[in-house]
Amino acid sequence: GDSVTQMEGPVTLSEEACLTINCTYTATGYPSLFWYVQYPGEGLQLLLKATKADDKGSNKGFEATYRKETTSFHLEKGSVQVSDSAVYFCALYFNTGNQFYFGTGTSLTVIP
Amino acid sequence: DAGVTQSPTHLIKTRGQQVTLRCSPKSGHDTVSWYQQALGQGPQFIFQYYEEEERQRGNFPDRFSGHQFPNYSSELNVNALLLGDSALYLCASSWMGYQTGELFFGEGSRLTVL
Repeated sequence: GDSVTQMEGPVTLSEEACLTINCTYTATGYPSLFWYVQYPGEGLQLLLKATKADDKGSNKGFEATYRKETTSFHLEKGSVQVSDSAVYFCALYFNTGNQFYFGTGTSLTVIP
Repeated sequence: DAGVTQSPTHLIKTRGQQVTLRCSPKSGHDTVSWYQQALGQGPQFIFQYYEEEERQRGNFPDRFSGHQFPNYSSELNVNALLLGDSALYLCASSWMGYQTGELFFGEGSRLTVL
């Protein structure tokens, strides 16, 4: 079935370090791919998305490229900040079914 | 512009009881989806409501039911509560006419079943 596998956390980084959170997916069709972020005490928020192969989503210094050949959508940031501390969820979405499949989430803590 | 609002924010129930959770979608949205997020897990799709009807359903038993009202707000009902129903219940809204996949989530209702 359709599913998302995310890098397990928690991840702890020093401020200004590089971040990569791995995400791979299994899908029978052609999904859109998303990263959602959940800051402490808040609801999930869309971070970035890509709707087709080779698309790159970007927002707030984060980037992810939809790689069909490796079925991956890894999240990257070149220099993390303390304010990036949150839980990050990779998700796939089929607009025909209008349903999301979320990964288990990766907790990131950035220390000064 | 109010975002998605959910109530109550926290509640405690005992096994066998029933619970009702409420959600008001973001202004301009007509579709409400409900997700269950167990501790340490990603959100799992329960069901989606549009035009006051259940349109899609995930792999959840019939103990989970819902309703959507003419003003697009929604309720999630869970009967015969089990310990395993303890979770954060998230409501997400969207506009059916523009299915980009972007959902707007509320902060959730945290249910503890004792």
